[in-house]
Amino acid sequence: GDSVTQMEGPVTLSEEAFLTINCTYTATGYPSLFWYVQYPGEGLQLLLKATKADDKGSNKGFEATYRKETTSFHLEKGSVQVSDSAVYFCALNNAGNMLTFGGGTRLMVKP
Amino acid sequence: SAVISQKPSRDICQRGTSLTIQCQVDSQVTMMFWYRQQPGQSLTLIATANQGSEATYESGFVIDKFPISRPNLTFSTLTVSNMSPEDSSIYLCSVGGLTEAFFGQGTRLTVV
Repeated sequence: GDSVTQMEGPVTLSEEAFLTINCTYTATGYPSLFWYVQYPGEGLQLLLKATKADDKGSNKGFEATYRKETTSFHLEKGSVQVSDSAVYFCALNNAGNMLTFGGGTRLMVKP
Repeated sequence: SAVISQKPSRDICQRGTSLTIQCQVDSQVTMMFWYRQQPGQSLTLIATANQGSEATYESGFVIDKFPISRPNLTFSTLTVSNMSPEDSSIYLCSVGGLTEAFFGQGTRLTVV
């Protein structure tokens, strides 16, 4: 079946540092890929998405590129802020309506 | 897009009791999904709820423990029955399609 693997956290960075959270997936066909963010005490919010190979999703300074050859969708941000502290989930949707989630990565940004 | 209202937002319940969580969507949707997020864990799909038919449960989840209702295209409930401390989790409902999913804010359940 489909699966998503993302790097374990917590990831602790200083403000303005570069962020990479790795995500790889296993799926048949051509899934859509997503990053969701969960701020403390809140529900899940869509951060960005990509629906086909080589697409780049971007939002709020975050980017991720759909790499079919490496089955990856790594999340990056050039300069993190304290307000980016949250849990980040990589997910895929493969020709259905349900999502398959990775384990989540907690990001902590220190001033 | 879709706006999902989920309630209660949190509750503390005694073991052995049941809690019903409600999920209201601002538009008609064919499928609604219920997820569980155990402390420090990712989201796991409990079941898919279609209007007019029984819910489809994922492996490890059964109807007797998590009965679901789907009376119309904008509403669903999930009941957590005969609760134990292991049921302490965040429960989320979701709707969406291939390009985006929308989530309620979740119900944080603590069983004591």
